[in-house]
Amino acid sequence: GAVVSQHPSWVICKSGTSVKIECRSLDFQATTMFWYRQFPKQSLMLMATSNEGSKATYEQGVEKDKFLINHASLTLSTLTVTSAHPEDSSFYICSASVSSGTWGTDTQYFGPGTRLTVL
Amino acid sequence: TQLLEQSPQFLSIQEGENLTVYCNSSSVFSSLQWYRQEPGEGPVLLVTVVTGGEVKKLKRLTFQFGDARKDSSLHITAAQTGDTGLYLCAATNDYKLSFGAGTTVTVRA
Repeated sequence: GAVVSQHPSWVICKSGTSVKIECRSLDFQATTMFWYRQFPKQSLMLMATSNEGSKATYEQGVEKDKFLINHASLTLSTLTVTSAHPEDSSFYICSASVSSGTWGTDTQYFGPGTRLTVL
Repeated sequence: TQLLEQSPQFLSIQEGENLTVYCNSSSVFSSLQWYRQEPGEGPVLLVTVVTGGEVKKLKRLTFQFGDARKDSSLHITAAQTGDTGLYLCAATNDYKLSFGAGTTVTVRA
């Protein structure tokens, strides 16, 4: 149980184009979904938090107009990288959170990641 | 500054040896998680520790949560090549997960 999928697993695009990445919780409904970015040899950095039907909350330094997040249902969140540039090339990972009922112990289940390369 | 400090950053050992990875902070956490991530994949949850002083075992992996709930360690006994990967500790801070910088473990055959 608690499987999260991402699509596509990798994508190559030209500079200036937009790319959409999907994140789905396959066998559970997620209270919250998170989007992370990971550069080579580095840890995961949280980009934004989204709840179904609400606007996403972005971390400091993350441009909300560049990284559009839509959380249409309890099982689907999308991240659109608009007008992508080579510096946006990275590994993007989503996670879906299941509430445990106890503050501070919610478990996040991670997707397999999407490798974005912008030429 | 990172909320969680992991050490060492890199670890290369021979198969059969033991290793320990540390995760430290000046903050107190309600829980702490350990993940393993392989190249090109998302992190996979290994364990969540909640109680100060708690010790959890997962086959050859032993996880310890400090009494004050500020630090944790991961010990692998008789490491195998399949243990190779990036080990990340993470803690919930205001419902968000903050990750340590990670420890890259390489187990040589």
